[in-house]
Amino acid sequence: AQSVTQLDSQVPVFEEAPVELRCNYSSSVSVYLFWYVQYPNQGLQLLLKYLSGSTLVESINGFEAEFNKSQTSFHLRKPSVHISDTAEYFCAVNSNTGKLIFGQGTTLQVKP
Amino acid sequence: DAMVIQNPRYQVTQFGKPVTLSCSQTLNHNVMYWYQQKSSQAPKLLFHYYDKDFNNEADTPDNFQSRRPNTSFCFLDIRSPGLGDAAMYLCATSRDLGGATEAFFGQGTRLTVV
Repeated sequence: AQSVTQLDSQVPVFEEAPVELRCNYSSSVSVYLFWYVQYPNQGLQLLLKYLSGSTLVESINGFEAEFNKSQTSFHLRKPSVHISDTAEYFCAVNSNTGKLIFGQGTTLQVKP
Repeated sequence: DAMVIQNPRYQVTQFGKPVTLSCSQTLNHNVMYWYQQKSSQAPKLLFHYYDKDFNNEADTPDNFQSRRPNTSFCFLDIRSPGLGDAAMYLCATSRDLGGATEAFFGQGTRLTVV
């Protein structure tokens, strides 16, 4: 069985500060890893994904995540956050079943 | 150019009164999913269709049903909503069931039960 643990339920940070949202997963098979973002009263949007190849993946809005197989982690980072990054962030895994297993989510609160 | 559209965005229903939530897609994807997301919790998969094949998650209550009359539309029926069914319901699609396939989500329907 697969599972995802997001270690922080809330992360408050000041604007322009760096941030890291932590995600650990467990699985007995190879997985694909995703980060989704959810703005208030909205659906989920894909932020970035790791499928294979380079362990560092980037999004178009400055986020990046690094797949670490030995640590079974896929932490999300951004060197300088904006107010508009305030949202709920979900880490998710998928094996080959097509079923996304989500973590509990991390609320990123960016303060001016 | 919305790709996965859920209607309505907000739905209020009475305790025990059947309610239907709607999802449509313009992506021509084979797979359509329904997730339930309660406040401050992770989305939980209820069931999915691969084409016309229906796949129910083992712990999805019988109170929840789904229909997919064609490729574009999928409905979630709650036969007798209880207060505990108040949640955001998310529809998603994907091209196939491979693990690397991206899922596209609608904006969700927030269901309130009174």
